Amino acid sequence: DGGITQSPKYLFRKEGQNVTLSCEQNLNHDAMYWYRQDPGQGLRLIYYSQIVNDFQKGDIAEGYSVSREKKESFPLTVTSAQKNPTAFYLCASNTGTGNIQYFGAGTRLSVL
Amino acid sequence: GESVGLHLPTLSVQEGDNSIINCAYSNSASDYFIWYKQESGKGPQFIIDIRSNMDKRQGQRVTVLLNKTVKHLSLQIAATQPGDSAVYFCADGAQSGGSNYKLTFGKGTLLTVNP
Repeated sequence: DGGITQSPKYLFRKEGQNVTLSCEQNLNHDAMYWYRQDPGQGLRLIYYSQIVNDFQKGDIAEGYSVSREKKESFPLTVTSAQKNPTAFYLCASNTGTGNIQYFGAGTRLSVL
Repeated sequence: GESVGLHLPTLSVQEGDNSIINCAYSNSASDYFIWYKQESGKGPQFIIDIRSNMDKRQGQRVTVLLNKTVKHLSLQIAATQPGDSAVYFCADGAQSGGSNYKLTFGKGTLLTVNP
């Protein structure tokens, strides 16, 4: 998992509740990413950030929000607008000029 | 990576055999390709990557082959071991602003190694 820490490992959301997933990296990477993984599916990009205080929507950004106030941190909020939030969420990072994305261990989000 | 449906392709091999995992991509502009291994309940781990100016790249027990003409990528694992059992993902990338690549992931192939 190489310097990328995701927490919590398991998270439960009640209907109408916003929840925030944490992603911290100590690799001094400029870029960070959030992906969603559903069973039997590949990874789909939610949001990414190439530098501090800047981020872009990925392919499935609706119902999610992010912030990038610090280089080391890229938290993801799953809002109540996301009607099907149950999934495995993965955070990744890479250097500004590198291509290999390194992943955290993931957070599994379920709905109560 | 391309969409191949909801059912994960599977490959079952005997310990010691060589494994070949295939992947097709659709973006003609992709010029970077990467393979990841994901064990159950864990995040993906980098295995090997290749740029479009190469056809083949070798690592430790792994080889990636790229055929740009037919947009096909393969991962060969030599002398497959039980510890190689996992889901293997390919991803392709094209530059999307700045110098970073935005990766598109395939759905993965489940490799099972039988002792």
